[in-house]
Amino acid sequence: NAGVTQTPKFRILKIGQSMTLQCTQDMNHNYMYWYRQDPGMGLKLIYYSVGAGITDKGEVPNGYNVSRSTTEDFPLRLELAAPSQTSVYFCASNKGPQSSYNEQFFGPGTRLTVL
Amino acid sequence: RKEVEQDPGPFNVPEGATVAFNCTYSNSASQSFFWYRQDCRKEPKLLMSVYSSGNEDGRFTAQLNRASQYISLLIRDSKLSDSATYLCVVINDYKLSFGAGTTVTVRA
Repeated sequence: NAGVTQTPKFRILKIGQSMTLQCTQDMNHNYMYWYRQDPGMGLKLIYYSVGAGITDKGEVPNGYNVSRSTTEDFPLRLELAAPSQTSVYFCASNKGPQSSYNEQFFGPGTRLTVL
Repeated sequence: RKEVEQDPGPFNVPEGATVAFNCTYSNSASQSFFWYRQDCRKEPKLLMSVYSSGNEDGRFTAQLNRASQYISLLIRDSKLSDSATYLCVVINDYKLSFGAGTTVTVRA
């Protein structure tokens, strides 16, 4: 199993550009998440999905959109990139609802800089 | 008040030393607790869950104090490979809240 994979690893965007961060998992997990991690800060939840066709906002959804057309894929779309979106983005998945019994697996992250 | 707060450190300790640090959480109804490890510029990985009665995993011991709303992690006989940032994670209503992390550096 490859686990959770993310592309690209690094990206530099200009202000106002758009891009999609890709996330794929091959563990047949229903639950998927997008987080951002700013320097010296904890991970903040952007969006999450509990299954194909179902998405919901997290703590910091503004400026982002997601879709979940398949169990495996959960892309994150940035429209009109802003410097405040410079961050490291982690995709994660787990089998069921968050609990002591469902470990959350993370992808390797995408480092995004908006200039 | 933040949901999860940690002393950022860094804790700089020699090999073989014991190091311990805490994490406080604000929601008394929090259900589950974890320690994750994050190496520099890498993704977080689960280190251990924290159970009510406390639990050990090799050189690592985790404790939960619900009355005072904190969890702790103790690392015995520190190794160079223990150098990392340790993230405290708390579950409320099936959502994870992350602390900003405590950085530990083990020196030779």
